[in-house]
Amino acid sequence: AQSVSQHNHHVILSEAASLELGCNYSYGGTVNLFWYVQYPGQHLQLLLKYFSGDPLVKGIKGFEAEFIKSKFSFNLRKPSVQWSDTAEYFCAVFGGGGNKLTFGTGTQLKVEL
Amino acid sequence: DGGITQSPKYLFRKEGQNVTLSCEQNLNHDAMYWYRQDPGQGLRLIYYSQIVNDFQKGDIAEGYSVSREKKESFPLTVTSAQKNPTAFYLCASKDGPSGLIYGYTFGSGTRLTVV
Repeated sequence: AQSVSQHNHHVILSEAASLELGCNYSYGGTVNLFWYVQYPGQHLQLLLKYFSGDPLVKGIKGFEAEFIKSKFSFNLRKPSVQWSDTAEYFCAVFGGGGNKLTFGTGTQLKVEL
Repeated sequence: DGGITQSPKYLFRKEGQNVTLSCEQNLNHDAMYWYRQDPGQGLRLIYYSQIVNDFQKGDIAEGYSVSREKKESFPLTVTSAQKNPTAFYLCASKDGPSGLIYGYTFGSGTRLTVV
């Protein structure tokens, strides 16, 4: 079965610092990759996705992610975080058996002023 | 506006009672999903349904049941057999096979507390 690993469970950054959140998945075949964000008290929102083509994908709010097939990774990045980026971030993979989205355990990001 | 409505937002039940969580969507999406969210464990799939009158078990289906009698509705029953039912429950939907390009649409969730 497909599995997704997010190694950073809690991250604390100061405003303007750069962000990179790790995501690794287990399935070696064709996958579709997603990053979702959950702001405090709000529902899950799609940040960005990768289906095919350019492995560097850009999403909303200045976020980007790079798909590295050889490393089974899809890390999320942002050059300069803002206090409003405080949220929980989830990596998710569709594929590898079953018509369903498998999520990682999430990363709680806190951005301090 | 189109979206997913989950009700109620907060639900309290006594141990041993069954409880049904509501999920309604007006997006005309074919597929619907129930996830459970626990701190440090992310979202885990309970059940999903790709068409009316059909559904499949997810990764943690034990102690739960669902029905899909109408396209817009996918209620989840948490039975007394679920050993640790206190959690945040999220419903999601997707518009058929090609709809994956837009990702899943999520509801705002129901927080169930069993006392």
